[in-house]
Amino acid sequence: GENVEQHPSTLSVQEGDSAVIKCTYSDSASNYFPWYKQELGKGPQLIIDIRSNVGEKKDQRIAVTLNKTAKHFSLHITETQPEDSAVYFCAASKNFGNEKLTFGTGTRLTIIP
Amino acid sequence: GAVVSQHPSRVICKSGTSVKIECRSLDFQATTMFWYRQFPKQSLMLMATSNEGSKATYEQGVEKDKFLINHASLTLSTLTVTSAHPEDSSFYICSARDFRLAGRQETQYFGPGTRLLVL
Repeated sequence: GENVEQHPSTLSVQEGDSAVIKCTYSDSASNYFPWYKQELGKGPQLIIDIRSNVGEKKDQRIAVTLNKTAKHFSLHITETQPEDSAVYFCAASKNFGNEKLTFGTGTRLTIIP
Repeated sequence: GAVVSQHPSRVICKSGTSVKIECRSLDFQATTMFWYRQFPKQSLMLMATSNEGSKATYEQGVEKDKFLINHASLTLSTLTVTSAHPEDSSFYICSARDFRLAGRQETQYFGPGTRLLVL
């Protein structure tokens, strides 16, 4: 089955700086890669996703890059703000049938004011 | 759009009782719903996948007789924790997906979670 590794487990950055979180996956058939943000005591919220026919996707301060050959994808947050502090999870899946998401282990991001 | 609700948000019960958690897709029809369990500072662990009108598919190690899942309609799924014990205390989260949504077939939208505490 699919295995997703996520690094780092914790990340602290100064407000205004950029944050990068990296994930690798094992199943070359995976073709859908979402990123979720989870605040304390809440459910995960989809912040951006990318499909394998695209190498990069951007939404305001958030961007995701995908390298299919190397089987890794990354989340980039620029101009970080205190409200970006949360746990971020990457995930991977195929896009047919009841394919489930395989989650990474999460990254606790802390923005230092 | 794509809002998923859960009820209750938190529940405390006595050991041996059963607890039902509801998951609703509010503005879309969920062809598939998923139930997860999350322990503190850990990732999400998939418990089961359910399609409307069908029996749920449970992940290895998840007791189907303990965690009863019903997906009776395209907008509602329920998880019942039967004969709950303290070790069942956890954060339970559902998600929903509509594979008919163009460009969003794979996307799972998560509910806010239910915190269960069994005394």
